Amino acid sequence: EAGVTQFPSHSVIEKGQTVTLRCDPISGHDNLYWYRRVMGKEIKFLLHFVKESKQDESGMPNNRFLAERTGGTYSTLKVQPAELEDSGVYFCASSQGNTIYFGEGSWLTVV
Amino acid sequence: GQQVMQIPQYQHVQEGEDFTTYCNSSTTLSNIQWYKQRPGGHPVFLIQLVKSGEVKKQKRLTFQFGEAKKNSSLHITATQTTDVGTYFCADYQAGTALIFGKGTTLSVSS
Repeated sequence: EAGVTQFPSHSVIEKGQTVTLRCDPISGHDNLYWYRRVMGKEIKFLLHFVKESKQDESGMPNNRFLAERTGGTYSTLKVQPAELEDSGVYFCASSQGNTIYFGEGSWLTVV
Repeated sequence: GQQVMQIPQYQHVQEGEDFTTYCNSSTTLSNIQWYKQRPGGHPVFLIQLVKSGEVKKQKRLTFQFGEAKKNSSLHITATQTTDVGTYFCADYQAGTALIFGKGTTLSVSS
């Protein structure tokens, strides 16, 4: 069974540009989460989808971040315009029960 | 909001020594989950503790949940180089997001 997949694995963009991260959860998982880890800090929650609905988006840092999950399958996280402090690794995770499976992350560097 | 504290932030041991990381919260934890992230990798679920005072073992790893459900620990006996990585605890409540501690990064020298 395929795990949670994320694309791109690495991205380097200039400040002010736009980046879109994609996450394909494990098939059949209704819960999809986005997390972010800035270098040396804790993994911070961004938002949680249940199917196509946003269950909790309290962790989204500001309106430069937009997440979607059309059709309740894959999800995208767009950062527009990117700022230097957005650099870090963005993890997507999915679950159907108590075990949460993480993708390998999208490593974003804003220069 | 709720915070989960984890100490130490870094720990270096010689191979064969023991290692412990501690997790605590000022509020009662729902369930504790532990994750391991290898360098350059992603968090991988290790275990979930649910009951007050619960103790679970996975080979050389021992996980404990405090009686008051406000703290937890992960103990590794006789560390090996394959144990290197960052260990995170997280408060988990079904249907909500994980709240992670800052993690303890373990390095092991042979």
